[in-house]
Amino acid sequence: GQSLEQPSEVTAVEGAIVQINCTYQTSGFYGLSWYQQHDGGAPTFLSYNALDGLEETGRFSSFLSRSDSYGYLLLQELQMKDSASYFCAVPGGQGGKLIFGQGTELSVKP
Amino acid sequence: DTEVTQTPKHLVMGMTNKKSLKCEQHMGHRAMYWYKQKAKKPPELMFVYSYEKLSINESVPSRFSPECPNSSLLNLHLHALQPEDSALYLCASSHSGTTGANVLTFGAGSRLTVL
Repeated sequence: GQSLEQPSEVTAVEGAIVQINCTYQTSGFYGLSWYQQHDGGAPTFLSYNALDGLEETGRFSSFLSRSDSYGYLLLQELQMKDSASYFCAVPGGQGGKLIFGQGTELSVKP
Repeated sequence: DTEVTQTPKHLVMGMTNKKSLKCEQHMGHRAMYWYKQKAKKPPELMFVYSYEKLSINESVPSRFSPECPNSSLLNLHLHALQPEDSALYLCASSHSGTTGANVLTFGAGSRLTVL
């Protein structure tokens, strides 16, 4: 089966850099993705890694190491609006089943 | 059009009611999903449709009945629900296949309250 572990909460200050880690166990690997969800809103796709290395999208970057079954989401120049829950996710084998981690609640303080 | 539209946004129903949640996408995606999400929890997969055929049912109780009338529409029919079914119901779409499932576009959700 598939399982993912990520910290339950992280706190940082405006302007800082924060890293949210995710370790996973899968029976086959088809990619690691990240989603952001604001309170009361729906999840929105942030980033996806299929291969090892860093993917950069503006202030957000995502990293993957398949040999370590590990990835992280890096948020730079934190803003108050970045306060949200962040989920890592992996496909659960054939058929398009995306499994989400438990989520990391990020609080950005002034 | 890069949106997934869900209606209604809010729904309150009694345990004997029958209601439906609706979802529409015009992104050309051939995979559509229903997820259920409780407060402070991750989205939990209920159903997957691929090319209008049900491909995954995560052992969801029969009081939830999905329907995919065409490649753009997805419905979730609700009947005889329980109070514990109160949750945010999220529709999503993506390109088909296991790799396609990495990139889901979610609708805003339907917040369901069962009295």
